[in-house]
Amino acid sequence: RKEVEQDPGPFNVPEGATVAFNCTYSNSASQSFFWYRQDCRKEPKLLMSVYSSGNEDGRFTAQLNRASQYISLLIRDSKLSDSATYLCVNSGGSYIPTFGRGTSLIVHP
Amino acid sequence: DAGVIQSPRHEVTEMGQEVTLRCKPISGHDYLFWYRQTMMRGLELLIYFNNNVPIDDSGMPEDRFSAKMPNASFSTLKIQPSEPRDSAVYFCASSLANQPQHFGDGTRLSIL
Repeated sequence: RKEVEQDPGPFNVPEGATVAFNCTYSNSASQSFFWYRQDCRKEPKLLMSVYSSGNEDGRFTAQLNRASQYISLLIRDSKLSDSATYLCVNSGGSYIPTFGRGTSLIVHP
Repeated sequence: DAGVIQSPRHEVTEMGQEVTLRCKPISGHDYLFWYRQTMMRGLELLIYFNNNVPIDDSGMPEDRFSAKMPNASFSTLKIQPSEPRDSAVYFCASSLANQPQHFGDGTRLSIL
């Protein structure tokens, strides 16, 4: 079983839609969680950290469910510019960060 | 603020040649990571350093790959001899412990 699993998509949604991604992890000792965004032919860039209490940044909301070992990312009012691949990352006590394969999002007019 | 700096941005070379990729981490970061990304395998961690010491190199594909970090501001990833299957984008990233990683622009490597 892969340590971090994501639905590769693509998720194809119209502008203005709300879309949610989940990411499951197998390492119960994971301590830190992040969502990254990667545009085509670019490097991954930090989108947001994921805290136990959940956190929100504008149209983006991230949540952590330790009992079920998954993190989620919700994007409201999707924009064309949100089209990208979204990668989840977790790291555990041994601090070996593990990236998921990413979920592709395509927002169309 | 200067981010992670990688060089070269692009490298095209013939198989059998030695390839050296370079990385300058963000000043003050004590973790440095080398990744390889391909369409087939996604983002793979090759090796990471903590305070210039290699901690885990289990992701290094084979003995043709080697990485060094002679000081806190410089690291290299070397492939010798290179093979066409090494073609990929190689990223370097740095961070503080349990903090988000910051990635360089990557080196796009093509082995002919």
